Amino acid sequence: GQNIDQPTEMTATEGAIVQINCTYQTSGFNGLFWYQQHAGEAPTFLSYNVLDGLEEKGRFSSFLSRSKGYSYLLLKELQMKDSASYLCAVREGGKLIFGQGTELSVKP
Amino acid sequence: DTAVSQTPKYLVTQMGNDKSIKCEQNLGHDTMYWYKQDSKKFLKIMFSYNNKELIINETVPNRFSPKSPDKAHLNLHINSLELGDSAVYFCASSLATGGNSPLHFGNGTRLTVT
Repeated sequence: GQNIDQPTEMTATEGAIVQINCTYQTSGFNGLFWYQQHAGEAPTFLSYNVLDGLEEKGRFSSFLSRSKGYSYLLLKELQMKDSASYLCAVREGGKLIFGQGTELSVKP
Repeated sequence: DTAVSQTPKYLVTQMGNDKSIKCEQNLGHDTMYWYKQDSKKFLKIMFSYNNKELIINETVPNRFSPKSPDKAHLNLHINSLELGDSAVYFCASSLATGGNSPLHFGNGTRLTVT
């Protein structure tokens, strides 16, 4: 079956660093995506990993370990506008399967 | 603007009615999708079309019928609406079905069935 797990909620302080974890068990794997979704808006693409290791993109980095079925999204120098839901998604064949998302609240 | 656009943004209707949601993308992508996001924010794939051909049909009631007149459009028609159909429906597109092609989402249609 398919199972993608993320923490439901996280809270962090402006200027800090936060790590959002994602574990997955899927019957196929063709890459892992992270999306950001602000309340009432569309999900927007943040990062893609298909090989093990860290991908860095400005303040955001994403890590993948395929053998452990594990990924994390690292957000540095947090800003208030980073308050949003962060969705982990695994590509299995032609479809993207999403986790339930992690609601991140950034406090002053 | 290049984008995925869907209409309407809000749809409020009564049980038993039939309604349609339209989606268009001008990104030149070959693949389009419909996703449903429930009250717990869980995004679940419903359908996927590649170049007007249905390639993914998850276990969705047959009251839901997608139609793709061309590869830039994917509409969703829902018959005999039920309370449980209330959700946000997102249309999306991608350049291809695999690899590192991310999905680009429309702004969603919030459907409320009363």
